[in-house]
Formats: sequence, structure tokens, C-alpha cells
Amino acid sequence: AQTVTQSQPEMSVQDAETVTLSCTYDTSENNYYLFWYKQPPSRQMILVIRQEAYKQQNATENRFSVNFQKAAKSFSLKISDSQLGDTAMYFCAFINGGATNKLIFGTGTLLAVQP
Amino acid sequence: NAGVTQTPKFRILKIGQSMTLQCAQDMNHNYMYWYRQDPGMGLKLIYYSVGAGITDKGEVPNGYNVSRSTTEDFPLRLELAAPSQTSVYFCASSYSTGANTGELFFGEGSRLTVL
Repeated sequence: AQTVTQSQPEMSVQDAETVTLSCTYDTSENNYYLFWYKQPPSRQMILVIRQEAYKQQNATENRFSVNFQKAAKSFSLKISDSQLGDTAMYFCAFINGGATNKLIFGTGTLLAVQP
Repeated sequence: NAGVTQTPKFRILKIGQSMTLQCAQDMNHNYMYWYRQDPGMGLKLIYYSVGAGITDKGEVPNGYNVSRSTTEDFPLRLELAAPSQTSVYFCASSYSTGANTGELFFGEGSRLTVL
């Protein structure tokens, strides 16, 4: 069975600093996708960034980037120039290619950006 | 577009009562999902649907039922509420797989307490 593990329940970062959130996963599949979702306090969950397993290049979306290590089954999220609005719960998620979009989520990391 | 709309946002139930959580989306998405979110547990898939008239069980379907009579609506029914069903429930929708794989659009959540 596929699993997603986030070992950091909570993290804190100063405004304008850089922070990295960790995620590991377990699968025997070769074709899959990985995601980071953001859930701000009392607001809807939104997709931050997506990585296709067949792509070697790490995905980047503005201040958000990932470090995808396929052999190690590691998928960390780096947030550069952290802003107060980045305060949220961050979920790592996984899906098999070809599956019916049934995401498997990690337990989340609560990130607090301090002024 | 309103996106994904869930009602009610909050509800308190007594043990043994029944209720329906409503979910509607106006994005013409084929796929819809119900997740529950418990503290420290991430999101667990309850039921999902790949189109009108088609539903299937997720990881934690016991105690719940769904129907999908239209593309837009995907209600979740709790028949005999139990304290273990105290949780925050999220409805989500998505396009079919392919370029949009894994991008789910979430509602704001429904916080249910069973006493």
C-alpha cells in the first residue's frame, strides 16, 4: 500500500527566511504524481505545487520549489522569502498515475511564519 | 464560479441521529470526493465518484452513504451518528486525469460534532 509520511508536525520560520518541509512516501509504482497542498486557517485547501515522477527536473512555482529524490522516495517543499500569508497547514500527497485521482495525504505540517 | 460549496458549515448531532452534508460544484467536474480530516491524521477518503450514477468506497466508508444523481451534487449521508464521526468533512472535485491529475478543488469544510 502507498503511504505518505510527514515527520514534522509543526515548524516555525521568520518572515523573509527560507524553510523546508519534509515528506517521504512509499510505493512500488513507477508512474505517479506528488503534490503539496496548503490549508490556510479557516480557508479552503489549495494546490501549491505538483511533480510528475517521470520528470527529473524539480518543479518550481514562484517562491515554492521541491526537491524530488526518486530513489530515496523523498519530496520536500522549500518556501523562499517566507511571508505571513504562508502560515498554514501543508499536506504532502501522492497519487498513482492512471488512478481515479484518489489522493493519499500525509498527516500535515503546521507552518507558522513569525513577523 | 462559486467552486465547491458545502453546507452546513457547522452541525452538532446527537448519537443515533441522521443527517446529510450537501456538496455542489459548478465547474462541470466529473470527479467528486468526500474526505474527513481528524487532528494529526491528515485526510482520509470516505467515498468518491467518477461521474453521475457512479460511486465507490474510499478508505473509511463505514457509517456513510453517498449518491450522485447529477454531475453537480454529491451529498454525504450519515445514518446513525456516532462520536467517532466527529470530524471536519471536506468535499472536493476535479477534472478527469491527465494534465490535471491530482488537482482537487476543495470546499470550505463542514465541522460535525456528535455528542
